[in-house]
Amino acid sequence: QVTLKESGPGILQPSQTLSLTCTFSGFSLSTYGMGVGWIRQPSGKGLEWLANIWWDDDKYYNPSLKNRLTISKDTSNNQAFLKITNVDTADTATYYCARIGDWFAYWGQGTLVTVSS
Amino acid sequence: DIVMTQGALPNPVPSGESASITCQSSKSLLHSNGKTYLNWYLQRPGQSPQLLIYWMSTRASGVSDRFSGSGSGTDFTLKISSVEAEDVGVYYCQQFLEYPLTFGSGTKLEIK
Repeated sequence: QVTLKESGPGILQPSQTLSLTCTFSGFSLSTYGMGVGWIRQPSGKGLEWLANIWWDDDKYYNPSLKNRLTISKDTSNNQAFLKITNVDTADTATYYCARIGDWFAYWGQGTLVTVSS
Repeated sequence: DIVMTQGALPNPVPSGESASITCQSSKSLLHSNGKTYLNWYLQRPGQSPQLLIYWMSTRASGVSDRFSGSGSGTDFTLKISSVEAEDVGVYYCQQFLEYPLTFGSGTKLEIK
């Protein structure tokens, strides 16, 4: 059974760095073809893809976030991470992680992040 | 970037009727391997999105056969036959052909 769960700070101030953790089970990021992606959704709005990381440590980022993103993984502990630097109120959203292949197969429950001064 | 454009539904849809959601991509999603990299998701109120259809027409495990996907390289349709109360939510199409990955803006389904 595949499960994913996101965790984050809940609230942070503008200009700070947002650190998110995705803890998963039911698959391994050391297995050929496996990957984890991050997607976010502002309240009442649509889905925005942020970044993917693959079993071979290949990484892809949404260029719209202009080099603010860093994705990484800890294969031993079945975790993936996303950092977003210099956050702004526009980064307020629910952040999801998902297992990926050619699609977002399994999603976590999401973690709400609010950026506010 | 590949732009995904979704159509609206004439809400609310009467229970038991069929509903078709359209999605158009700004570039063909047909890969040279013969697969079309178009996926459909449903986000029920208060829940995370869930995968319905991948590779344009393949139902994900456990998805009702009332859901079917079809299309060409740039024009796609998700058909829901005999809509039920549990189908309420927002439907998203998404391309996985190339980076950056992009979603449509979503299509809301309401049931009467």
